[in-house]
Amino acid sequence: DIQMTQSPSSLSASVGDRVTISCRASQDIRNDLAWYQQKPGTAPKRLIYGTSNLQRGVPSRFSGSGSGTEFTLTISSLQPEDFATYYCLQHREHLTFGGGTTVEIK
Amino acid sequence: QAHLQESGPGVVKPSETLSLNCTVSGGSLSSQYWRWIRQPPGKGLEWIGNFYYSTGTTYNPSLRHRVTISVDKSRNQFSLKLTSVTAADTAVYYCVREFGFSSLWGQGTMVTVSS
Repeated sequence: DIQMTQSPSSLSASVGDRVTISCRASQDIRNDLAWYQQKPGTAPKRLIYGTSNLQRGVPSRFSGSGSGTEFTLTISSLQPEDFATYYCLQHREHLTFGGGTTVEIK
Repeated sequence: QAHLQESGPGVVKPSETLSLNCTVSGGSLSSQYWRWIRQPPGKGLEWIGNFYYSTGTTYNPSLRHRVTISVDKSRNQFSLKLTSVTAADTAVYYCVREFGFSSLWGQGTMVTVSS
């Protein structure tokens, strides 16, 4: 089974900060990776698919990069509505989520 | 605009079978990936299984022996059955449609396993 290790598990940041979240796959997943944002009490929302493709309607301050086993979600300038939990998901072999990163207000 | 709505009992007794339906409105079950994903209270997301018309069903290996996912085109419903439930199966269950650039989630339904 492919394991996804996401880091950090939480972070504190201020509005305007650049934020980076990482995911490491236990084996090569090519570019079969997506990123999701979840706010309390709501369903997750996909932000990025295919490692770097921005979902329609998602602000351009979100970007994804990586390949193989190392992947990154970057928020270029954190906005108040971005405080949430973020998950990576690999779908190369079955599906596996990362453990999540909670972005909190500093 | 397609919409997904999960439905089913909010409480299931231990050792019984959890049954959920996902009703699809404004779309068809004849294409795209259909998924069930769950989230225990305060925890992360767990994939349960997929249905895709060209390849059939695939299941999380850790749940495979207890899970059945099926599709009823006549009712436009996508269903989940999970047998022999325990407290560890208490979670919000989501049905999801994804393919390429398209991603649509239901609002989720909370299922509690309790006697």
